[in-house]
Amino acid sequence: SAVISQKPSRDICQRGTSLTIQCQVDSQVTMMFWYRQQPGQSLTLIATANQGSEATYESGFVIDKFPISRPNLTFSTLTVSNMSPEDSSIYLCSVWTQSDTQYFGPGTRLTVL
Amino acid sequence: SQQGEEDPQALSIQEGENATMNCSYKTSINNLQWYRQNSGRGLVHLILIRSNEREKHSGRLRVTLDTSKKSSSLLITASRAADTASYFCATKKGGSEKLVFGKGTKLTVNP
Repeated sequence: SAVISQKPSRDICQRGTSLTIQCQVDSQVTMMFWYRQQPGQSLTLIATANQGSEATYESGFVIDKFPISRPNLTFSTLTVSNMSPEDSSIYLCSVWTQSDTQYFGPGTRLTVL
Repeated sequence: SQQGEEDPQALSIQEGENATMNCSYKTSINNLQWYRQNSGRGLVHLILIRSNEREKHSGRLRVTLDTSKKSSSLLITASRAADTASYFCATKKGGSEKLVFGKGTKLTVNP
């Protein structure tokens, strides 16, 4: 298994500002994933973060809006930039384990006013 | 894009009853995972079933996989109020590291 922590657990932000979410894993992993879950919806993959290279973004998500850092094999950050109320969501990071299971962090609940 | 489709979208049962949720997907997969999410919190991994497996059990949970029909089901037996949550299936295709989620089933177990 993997133990994943995220900071902050929740935040309320003003539109036009940015928030950086941190994700820490208790073991070294090649890939880390960032998901968004809009209210009442399922999870949508934002991007895949690899250590030492730029993140790979899914269709509909761009680096200017969701810049990602991956400075080492246990840590990643996702920034939600120039926020609007439509960015209000739960943001989750995840990793694969050697048992082919994907584990998720507890999520960051973001509300944009 | 969403590959999995769960049904029903919502299910309300009494404590002690069994709950069955279904998941269908569109392309061939490497494995399928079921998750539980309590009221907007993080996802809890329940069961992984691989494409060469047909059935797996974990406590009160039973998962089946029919690759010919591209479908899976999650059965929760003797449900409890604490089982109230949203349940999601997610599929992983061979050669891909991405996990694609279904829309989820919201289960309510009434005491």
